Parts: sequence; C-alpha cells; structure tokens
Amino acid sequence: DQQVKQNSPSLSVQEGRISILNCDYTNSMFDYFLWYKKYPAEGPTFLISISSIKDKNEDGRFTVFLNKSAKHLSLHIVPSQPGDSAVYFCAASVKGGGTSYGKLTFGQGTILTVHP
Amino acid sequence: NAGVMQNPRHLVRRRGQEARLRCSPMKGHSHVYWYRQLPEEGLKFMVYLQKENIIDESGMPKERFSAEFPKEGPSILRIQQVVRGDSAAYFCASSPMIGSYGYTFGSGTRLTVV
Repeated sequence: DQQVKQNSPSLSVQEGRISILNCDYTNSMFDYFLWYKKYPAEGPTFLISISSIKDKNEDGRFTVFLNKSAKHLSLHIVPSQPGDSAVYFCAASVKGGGTSYGKLTFGQGTILTVHP
Repeated sequence: NAGVMQNPRHLVRRRGQEARLRCSPMKGHSHVYWYRQLPEEGLKFMVYLQKENIIDESGMPKERFSAEFPKEGPSILRIQQVVRGDSAAYFCASSPMIGSYGYTFGSGTRLTVV
C-alpha cells in the first residue's frame, strides 16, 4: 500500500532552469510534508517542509507547494545547479500525535540530474 | 558536534548469522528512528525509540528483528538468522524532542546477506 508516490523515477534539467519534482499521497490524515535530498552512500538530508494549513513554503531556491484537494505536493528548485543532482524523497506524516508522532512515510524517490 | 553515527558502514553476513547495527544519536538527542531502504524503494519506517523505551515498532517485521536504545550507549538494531531479503540499507535518525520531523539521518549501514 504505497501511500506516498513519486511517479517520476528520474528528471533531467539544464543548469539555471527550474526543476519541478512531484509527489502524490492517498492518506487524507497526512498533515505534514517534507522533502529530503540524498546523495549516494549518504543519509537523507532534510530540505524543506510544509504544514497542511499552508499551501506554499519557500526557502531560498526551494519552494514547496501543497494542493490538499488534489493530495499533491511539488518541490520547485530555481535556478537548478549541478550540485542539486541527487535523489529527492518526499515524505508525509500525521502530526496529530499518538505513537505515530515523528513517523514518516516516504515516496520512492526521484533522481534529479542537472546538466551544466 | 558530530552528526548521527552509524556503524559499521558495510556489513556482510552469511545466511543464518546475526547482524548488529549500531546508531549513536547526535549529542542531546534522546529520540531515535530506524528506517530500511530496499533496492529501488523509498525508506520504510521500522521503529521509534526513546531512551530505554520502544514507542512505536509498527514497522518492524514480527520475527527475527529487535531494537533497543539503552540508558547508556548506542541504539542497536539486531537481525537474527539473516536471509537474503534482509539485504538493504538501514538508516538511523535522531531528534531532540518528540514531534521534531526534520530529523537528522546517519549515513546508513549497508547490509549484504550472502
């Protein structure tokens, strides 16, 4: 039961252009969403997050958009740089408490390649 | 301040042996999470521990897998009688408090069962 899906296994973008990574979820209880970046042989690194009470959150070159009605979120990277080449995971959580607190459900990841 | 330390980085075990994976959280962090990443898949939650307590083990396989986070020392993920399907990357993360979601991951232990 894949509750968080990243349907694009890979994305290739030219340096300086926009990268858009997409993520869909099925569990309507999810109320907190995160994006992680992962280089080979390293652990994931937290990038940016968004609460379900917002529809946009921005941090430098990274912006996350949330469309609750469509159960869809996206990560925009502008401008893209070769150093952004990595695997990007979206993750979701029910922040409402209980023993699930802190537990993340991850998508399968999208490999982003930014060409110079 | 060192990050989350996992060792070993690579572990090779024969079928039927035991695997012990260690995770030292960041200084001051008392919450530890273990995730597993199978080839071509995302990370899957296994277990959430606080010092001396297992809070949520809903992602742990029912048999052969156990985890602990003692008062002193690292958190340990133990896999008994390993099988080829246990081959994966195992990541540990730590956070300073409950409800902290952008937590810090270690570099992982890559377990290969031959």
